[in-house]
Amino acid sequence: DAGVIQSPRHEVTEMGQEVTLRCKPISGHDYLFWYRQTMMRGLELLIYFNNNVPIDDSGMPEDRFSAKMPNASFSTLKIQPSEPRDSAVYFCASSFMSPQETQYFGPGTRLLVL
Amino acid sequence: AQTVTQSQPEMSVQEAETVTLSCTYDTSESDYYLFWYKQPPSRQMILVIRQEAYKQQNATENRFSVNFQKAAKSFSLKISDSQLGDAAMYFCAYVVRDMRFGAGTRLTVKP
Repeated sequence: DAGVIQSPRHEVTEMGQEVTLRCKPISGHDYLFWYRQTMMRGLELLIYFNNNVPIDDSGMPEDRFSAKMPNASFSTLKIQPSEPRDSAVYFCASSFMSPQETQYFGPGTRLLVL
Repeated sequence: AQTVTQSQPEMSVQEAETVTLSCTYDTSESDYYLFWYKQPPSRQMILVIRQEAYKQQNATENRFSVNFQKAAKSFSLKISDSQLGDAAMYFCAYVVRDMRFGAGTRLTVKP
């Protein structure tokens, strides 16, 4: 079992550029979560999907952020245009059958927006 | 609103000793789940232990155990026989429909 896979592991970009973060959940898991971790705000849930359908996106900071899950094995989180305050570690996690089951986290993507 | 409070930003323990990390939460729900996650310097979030609120028995996982006090809304983590590899940030989390995390406790293990 490869676990949750995220790419890239590190991303450095300039303000105004588009950033796309990618996630492959654990096979068979039907819930997928995107989190953001910053020193100021800690770990925050951005959005989560069930069977590829977005269930709760109330944590998405603003319209610059969008997330998709075109199939059960792939999800993207896009920021367009990026701003320095978007600098953070972005985690993807997945769980089987319920958000209340153990969520398995990917290694995270460290994003730096200059 | 669901909130999770970890009142100890930092803790320190001597190798082989026991340490307890505190966590309280606020909810009006009766059915929920509680977790402790560990985040070492690699940043990887690693599950330490999970507790279902409907179970009175405290969860145990090797050297890790919890003291779950539902009425007090308290969920502390005890680490026995601390090892150098236990040094990390520890996050308490609470789930009804989505997971909410505390601010974390940084644990240092002294040799």
